[in-house]
Amino acid sequence: DVKVTQSSRYLVKRTGEKVFLECVQDMDHENMFWYRQDPGLGLRLIYFSYDVKMKEKGDIPEGYSVSREKKERFSLILESASTNQTSMYLCASSPKNRVTNYGYTFGSGTRLTVV
Amino acid sequence: AQKVTQAQTEISVVEKEDVTLDCVYETRDTTYYLFWYKQPPSGELVFLIRRNSFDEQNEISGRYSWNFQKSTSSFNFTITASQVVDSAVYFCALSEARAAGNKLTFGGGTRVLVKP
Repeated sequence: DVKVTQSSRYLVKRTGEKVFLECVQDMDHENMFWYRQDPGLGLRLIYFSYDVKMKEKGDIPEGYSVSREKKERFSLILESASTNQTSMYLCASSPKNRVTNYGYTFGSGTRLTVV
Repeated sequence: AQKVTQAQTEISVVEKEDVTLDCVYETRDTTYYLFWYKQPPSGELVFLIRRNSFDEQNEISGRYSWNFQKSTSSFNFTITASQVVDSAVYFCALSEARAAGNKLTFGGGTRVLVKP
């Protein structure tokens, strides 16, 4: 069964901490994405990557960075966590071919609370 | 820029009632793809359907049906004879063919609560 796995389901961090959210996919997908989900706002794209070591800013990249050293792994980094980054974070992947039948494959999400 | 609007934030129905979720989109691209996803309480988004911009045929899959109308830029989703297991948040999403990396833009989501 193909999967996108996020390392933590729940995380509590303190303001100012450096936070790493990890995502691994086993489908050999070229594209990987990080979204955050907030009530009423839907999913908003933070960063995405279409190849190893490549990254592109999404709609709300401020306060975040990413790393993709291997094809299967895409990390989201909060350099100095703040309370307004408390949210559900969703990782997703998709194949390179634009005409994809299934859109993205999503992970189960990481609910991050910054106190 | 692409945009997706789901005007209904929450819909509550009694089991066996039909429920229709609205989705309106904006895009300047002539080729694009529309999606619906379901997010049950477990949190993982589940793909339901993809529709290409050049295919306006409506689709039915069991109790689910979708009405794509390019003239009104809408892609509405109907659940017929709703069941408690349909309770979830449903997202409509759009991907422009020109978008790098198959970028998807999501609507705000509609929470559906089906009461027994």
